[in-house]
Amino acid sequence: EAGVAQSPRYKIIEKRQSVAFWCNPISGHATLYWYQQILGQGPKLLIQFQNNGVVDDSQLPKDRFSAERLKGVDSTLKIQPAKLEDSAVYLCASSLEHLLEQYFGPGTRLTVT
Amino acid sequence: SQELEQSPQSLIVQEGKNLTINCTSSKTLYGLYWYKQKYGEGLIFLMMLQKGGEEKSHEKITAKLDEKKQQSSLHITASQPSHAGIYLCGARMDSSYKLIFGSGTRLLVRP
Repeated sequence: EAGVAQSPRYKIIEKRQSVAFWCNPISGHATLYWYQQILGQGPKLLIQFQNNGVVDDSQLPKDRFSAERLKGVDSTLKIQPAKLEDSAVYLCASSLEHLLEQYFGPGTRLTVT
Repeated sequence: SQELEQSPQSLIVQEGKNLTINCTSSKTLYGLYWYKQKYGEGLIFLMMLQKGGEEKSHEKITAKLDEKKQQSSLHITASQPSHAGIYLCGARMDSSYKLIFGSGTRLLVRP
């Protein structure tokens, strides 16, 4: 079974620029999550999708972050404009149902200079 | 997260030694998940605990959830260099789906 795919793996941008990350969850997984992991900390949930609907985006900085999952499969997370404090690893995870274990992708390491 | 405390923050052990990592909450947990993360990689799911007193094992790793469902421990027997990495506990604090993660325990196993 293929795992959660993410791209790119690494991205370096200057502050005020825009960036987008892509995630392809495990086939058949209805629930998709985006997490932000700052160095030395555990992951923090940004947004959760159930199929193509948003379940929770309470911790998503909506003035600069946006995410979509149009067809209920792939998802993109965008930051516009980026700030220095956005430097982190952005992890995508998926689960079969929202109460079951989550499977994580390798992450995208973002550096904002 | 202050809601979930992990200890120790880091651990260096000699190969072959046993070790224990703890994860503590001030609230009763609805579910507790253990993950392992290697530098630059995603999280690998290890085990999920939901019932008070529950214990699960996989190879040389055993995880327990106490009866009050506020503390979990992860025990590694006869550690190997392949066990090195960051161990993260994640917990559901209420009946919703949301996982709160601890800050992780960094384990180094010296050959």
